[in-house]
Amino acid sequence: DQQVKQNSPSLSVQEGRISILNCDYTNSMFDYFLWYKKYPAEGPTFLISISSIKDKNEDGRFTVFLNKSAKHLSLHIVPSQPGDSAVYFCAASLWGGATNKLIFGTGTLLAVQP
Amino acid sequence: KAGVTQTPRYLIKTRGQQVTLSCSPISGHRSVSWYQQTPGQGLQFLFEYFSETQRNKGNFPGRFSGRQFSNSRSEMNVSTLELGDSALYLCASSGQGSGNTIYFGEGSWLTVV
Repeated sequence: DQQVKQNSPSLSVQEGRISILNCDYTNSMFDYFLWYKKYPAEGPTFLISISSIKDKNEDGRFTVFLNKSAKHLSLHIVPSQPGDSAVYFCAASLWGGATNKLIFGTGTLLAVQP
Repeated sequence: KAGVTQTPRYLIKTRGQQVTLSCSPISGHRSVSWYQQTPGQGLQFLFEYFSETQRNKGNFPGRFSGRQFSNSRSEMNVSTLELGDSALYLCASSGQGSGNTIYFGEGSWLTVV
């Protein structure tokens, strides 16, 4: 049972444009969400997070939006740069739970074309 | 501030052998988690340790085990290696309590032949 889903395996965007990566979840108990960027054979790099008490969080070029009623979150990257090309994972956890266990989506490969 | 450090980075083992991987968390972090990444299954949670106690465990066979030391450093062990255990093993650390940012190490790439 895939509790966190990234339905787009890949996305191609032109440099300077907006990249929008989507993520859906099924467990309404999730209340903390994170986005990671990952290169092959390396560890994920933390990008941005959001708790369920918010619907938006910004950090530089990265903005995460959370729609709790739809159980959907998205990561916006503006403007996109070639160095952003990587696999992006969304992850969910239980803020109120005594654990830091993350449930990951399957990832979206972003290719930013110069 | 040093990040999460994992050793070794790459290793090759023979089927049936056992392997131990090591993780040093970010200074001050008491929560250490382990994940397995494979092409077919993605990133999957193995287990989490906090203050030397396992407080959560994923759906992996008993061949996968771990421990945490008093200095928060952690090791994971895989016994009786199978070809399917070939994967990138990732360690993550976090501060006390839930809802903290979780930082990952570079991973240990295990190949079983």
